[in-house]
Amino acid sequence: SQTIHQWPATLVQPVGSPLSLECTVEGTSNPNLYWYRQAAGRGLQLLFYSVGIGQISSEVPQNLSASRPQDRQFILSSKKLLLSDSGFYLCAFPSGNTIYFGEGSWLTVV
Amino acid sequence: GDSVTQMEGPVTLSEEAFLTINCTYTATGYPSLFWYVQYPGEGLQLLLKATKADDKGSNKGFEATYRKETTSFHLEKGSVQVSDSAVYFCALVSGGSYIPTFGRGTSLIVHP
Repeated sequence: SQTIHQWPATLVQPVGSPLSLECTVEGTSNPNLYWYRQAAGRGLQLLFYSVGIGQISSEVPQNLSASRPQDRQFILSSKKLLLSDSGFYLCAFPSGNTIYFGEGSWLTVV
Repeated sequence: GDSVTQMEGPVTLSEEAFLTINCTYTATGYPSLFWYVQYPGEGLQLLLKATKADDKGSNKGFEATYRKETTSFHLEKGSVQVSDSAVYFCALVSGGSYIPTFGRGTSLIVHP
């Protein structure tokens, strides 16, 4: 079966510190992968999507970046976090007309 | 581009009341339509989906019908429970680009 996992589940980071969120998919190959952010009281904002290894498309200019070093691995990073980066980050992939989400990562920048 | 519009929340109901959360969309071609639910402190879970016009998705007492003529996919439940309190997201995926588009979400609060 197809599964998606992301971690860490929660983290509190100081302003200016780096960030790395990881997402892995199992049970499928060469999936499209997505990073979304859900800020407090707001909807889902697409940040990045990837159609294959090393291929990243950015939807929103910001201080975040994404990488896809392996077929089923998708990483969200930042060199220096801002307060506005706080939110709930979700990794997702489509399969068979359905979109599957990871458990989510709560980031609080203090 | 594709877009999804949901009714503003929060929607506050008493237990056993009837629920409707409106969702309309614009998209190229014939998109697949989804409702996702996010319980407090959790990620998103697929609630139901419909992939073609006039299809009805249903799950856990919730229903939504794909209406091409009105470009709508309204979520309904005949009798809500306190445990249905959550944020509900309407979404679509159009055939042209397989990038999901989400509405802003509607918070549902059910009181006993």
